[in-house]
Amino acid sequence: AQSVTQLGSHVSVSEGALVLLRCNYSSSVPPYLFWYVQYPNQGLQLLLKYTSAATLVKGINGFEAEFKKSETSFHLTKPSAHMSDAAEYFCAVRTPGQAGTALIFGKGTTLSVSS
Amino acid sequence: DTGVSQNPRHKITKRGQNVTFRCDPISEHNRLYWYRQTLGQGPEFLTYFQNEAQLEKSRLLSDRFSAERPKGSFSTLEIQRTEQGDSAMYLCASSLSGTVTGELFFGEGSRLTVL
Repeated sequence: AQSVTQLGSHVSVSEGALVLLRCNYSSSVPPYLFWYVQYPNQGLQLLLKYTSAATLVKGINGFEAEFKKSETSFHLTKPSAHMSDAAEYFCAVRTPGQAGTALIFGKGTTLSVSS
Repeated sequence: DTGVSQNPRHKITKRGQNVTFRCDPISEHNRLYWYRQTLGQGPEFLTYFQNEAQLEKSRLLSDRFSAERPKGSFSTLEIQRTEQGDSAMYLCASSLSGTVTGELFFGEGSRLTVL
């Protein structure tokens, strides 16, 4: 069964510092991977997705993620944090060829940004 | 551009009462998903429709839960004889078949509090 593990339930950075949110997946085949962001009292918004076209994926708001098959990882990064980046971030996985099935989400990482 | 709409946004009820949530997906999307999210957790899959057919149900969807999508457009999620453990955010998402990755578009959620 496929799954994702997000290491670190809470990450704190200073404004302008590097953001690194970790996600490791478990899947029998190379999966499709997603990062979503959730602001308080709102739904989830897609940040970026990996579809096997390129291992380095760029998303919205300056975020990017790199798919590393050897490490079964899909970590999310941003070079310089903004206060507005403070939110909950979720990694999710789906098996290719099963586009109709549900995404499986990790437990999430709360990002705090201090001035 | 209308996204996924959920109503009501908040519902407070007493234990034992029935509640119903409604989800209106993005108009051209034929797939609709329900997820449950509790505090500090990622979204957990409940059930999935393609058009009016309910194709997948999670083991989390107990007999007290029922979901419908009668005309393949909006969907309802009913919880009968609510319990305090049902308190959560109920998220609806939709997607369009035929896309490679099938990423989900989420509504803002319906928060249920059972007293």
